[in-house]
Amino acid sequence: GAVVSQHPSWVICKSGTSVKIECRSLDFQATTMFWYRQFPKQSLMLMATSNEGSKATYEQGVEKDKFLINHASLTLSTLTVTSAHPEDSSFYICSARDPQGIHEQYFGPGTRLTVT
Amino acid sequence: GQNIDQPTEMTATEGAIVQINCTYQTSGFNGLFWYQQHAGEAPTFLSYNVLDGLEEKGRFSSFLSRSKGYSYLLLKELQMKDSASYLCAVPDSNYQLIWGAGTKLIIKP
Repeated sequence: GAVVSQHPSWVICKSGTSVKIECRSLDFQATTMFWYRQFPKQSLMLMATSNEGSKATYEQGVEKDKFLINHASLTLSTLTVTSAHPEDSSFYICSARDPQGIHEQYFGPGTRLTVT
Repeated sequence: GQNIDQPTEMTATEGAIVQINCTYQTSGFNGLFWYQQHAGEAPTFLSYNVLDGLEEKGRFSSFLSRSKGYSYLLLKELQMKDSASYLCAVPDSNYQLIWGAGTKLIIKP
C-alpha cells in the first residue's frame, strides 16, 4: 500500500512558540491531504482538508490563523501550530488520498505534540 | 445529514469470533471503509466495500448491505494483538471520510 510519512513523530514545545509538522506521501502524488487531531480516548476529529496549490478548507471551530496549512507540492503538506498553548497538546495525524485508488486515506504515523 | 453508529466497546475471548456492526445514514454512497487503530497509533486501512456482500481477507471479513445502511467487520481466530479500536467510515462527495466514533475491542485470554 501507499506510504505516508510524518515528521516529527513527537515534539515538546513551550507555550507561545510555533511548531511545524510535515506530512509526505512517499510513493504517490496526493492532490488532497487531511489533517486530524485526536485527544486521548476520543475519536478522530478532522481539522482541515488541504488541496495542492489552493487554500485549505477548515472545519467549523478550527482557527485557520492558528493552524496554518500549506500544501505546496503534490507530496508535501505542512501544519504549523502557531502560538501553541497547553490545550493544543494532542495527537496530530495527517492522511493522504491516492486519486488513483479507491479513495481510501493512507495515514501518517502521527505526531504527538506536548505544549508545556 | 450524515450519521454513523457503532458500538462503543466490545469484549471477546482469544481464539473466538467477533462481529462489529456499523450503521450509516448518508446522502449518496461512495463505499464504506473499516480501519484499525491501536492505542497511540494512527489508523490503518482494513477494508473497503462498495457492493453488497461479504469481502474476505484472511482472518478479517467485511460485509455490506446498502439497502439497510449496514456493515459489519468480522474477526476470526482472535489474537491478543487484535485488541484495538475499529473505525467505520464513509466518504462524502468531497472524499472526506465521515468517521464513526469507533468500537474498542478488548480481547481476553
